[in-house]
Amino acid sequence: DTEVTQTPKHLVMGMTNKKSLKCEQHMGHRAMYWYKQKAKKPPELMFVYSYEKLSINESVPSRFSPECPNSSLLNLHLHALQPEDSALYLCASSRQGAYGYTFGSGTRLTVV
Amino acid sequence: AQKITQTQPGMFVQEKEAVTLDCTYDTSDQSYGLFWYKQPSSGEMIFLIYQGSYDEQNATEGRYSLNFQKARKSANLVISASQLGDSAMYFCATPLRGGSNYKLTFGKGTLLTVNP
Repeated sequence: DTEVTQTPKHLVMGMTNKKSLKCEQHMGHRAMYWYKQKAKKPPELMFVYSYEKLSINESVPSRFSPECPNSSLLNLHLHALQPEDSALYLCASSRQGAYGYTFGSGTRLTVV
Repeated sequence: AQKITQTQPGMFVQEKEAVTLDCTYDTSDQSYGLFWYKQPSSGEMIFLIYQGSYDEQNATEGRYSLNFQKARKSANLVISASQLGDSAMYFCATPLRGGSNYKLTFGKGTLLTVNP
C-alpha cells in the first residue's frame, strides 16, 4: 500500500459546525503532515506529527486541532471555522523527514 | 532567509513542444535536493522527479528531466513533447529544517497551459 488516503474528498460546513478530516497511511512512515492550500498558491504547512511528537505552525488558529490516534492516522478537527478557512487541505507522510513524501488527494473544504 | 523561487507565474506551450520551468533555491542546508510536483485542477499533488544535491547526473523520468546547475542553485524542469494533460500547476520544493523537523517547502508555482 503506497497511498495516503484522505476523507472526505469534499466538505461543506457552517461556521458553527464541528467536523473532522481524516488521513491514513499504511506505509510505515513515521512523519505525517497537514497542509492548507488556497487557490493558485503553494501549500502551507500547518502541523507535523513526527516520531510521536507534534509540531505546530504558530500562525495556525486554535479552531484547527490535530489528533494522532496511532502512527497511521492523523486527523484534523475543525470547530467554529471562518469563510476564509475555505481551502484545499492536503495530508502527506514521509518515511524519514526529508525523503519519500507522499500526498493524499486532498479535502476541498468550503465554510459557509 | 532560506527560500525556493519560481519566477514564472504562468507559461504557455504548444502541444508536442518542449518547455522549461524555472526553479532556484537559496538554502544553507544543501544535504537534500529538490522535488518537482504536478498539481492538476483536481488538487492531487503528484510527485514527478527528484534531484539529489550531490548527484552528478541530471535526473530524468520519462518525459521529465532536470537541468541541474549546482553553482547557480537552479533545478529547472524540462518537459519534452508536451501533452494536453500536462496542463497543471507545477511546484518545486525542498525540505527545510525547522527545529527538529524537516518540512517540505514549496515555491509559488508555475501554471502551465498546453495549447492544441
